[in-house]
Amino acid sequence: SQQGEEDPQALSIQEGENATMNCSYKTSINNLQWYRQNSGRGLVHLILIRSNEREKHSGRLRVTLDTSKKSSSLLITASRAADTASYFCATDAGYGNKLVFGAGTILRVKS
Amino acid sequence: DGGITQSPKYLFRKEGQNVTLSCEQNLNHDAMYWYRQDPGQGLRLIYYSQIVNDFQKGDIAEGYSVSREKKESFPLTVTSAQKNPTAFYLCASRREEKLFFGSGTQLSVL
Repeated sequence: SQQGEEDPQALSIQEGENATMNCSYKTSINNLQWYRQNSGRGLVHLILIRSNEREKHSGRLRVTLDTSKKSSSLLITASRAADTASYFCATDAGYGNKLVFGAGTILRVKS
Repeated sequence: DGGITQSPKYLFRKEGQNVTLSCEQNLNHDAMYWYRQDPGQGLRLIYYSQIVNDFQKGDIAEGYSVSREKKESFPLTVTSAQKNPTAFYLCASRREEKLFFGSGTQLSVL
């Protein structure tokens, strides 16, 4: 079962621009997480936002969560070529410690 | 260096053959997970284990088997019953709510 759906599927921007990715989900959650995957590699945890939080920052990352709309967004500011990767949202509904991942957004940052 | 080690990086399976993917962690985490990733798709959960000698089926367990005899190890066997095994397989362990991933194994069918 795929809980999160990311939008857009792919995004291409110039270095220095901001990148925004969105995630929608279907059921109530305890927290929502964002992960990054470089091509052919494992995923790396970026940031976690809990259901009682609305916004969180970590370096150039800003995550928002709207539980009434069941949606989240990830903003990467001042993007760099090294930010080129796939980004996944994952929801934790608290059932058996399982995370459910969306299909991801492919971000390409052109230098 | 602490982390998750998956081996091999590439694996080829002949028809009718069982193959085993290795996953080892030295992070002292109790919970471990196996995910399957197909091109352009998200991760789908195959099996997970929250403690030694215990494991549960995920969303796509058919054609796969696991064991959890040691805290550090969570091998995945892709059996001949899995008719479409070509995919990228990711192992992870969990600390609090966060997952820590290995670098993956690409399994292909000869």
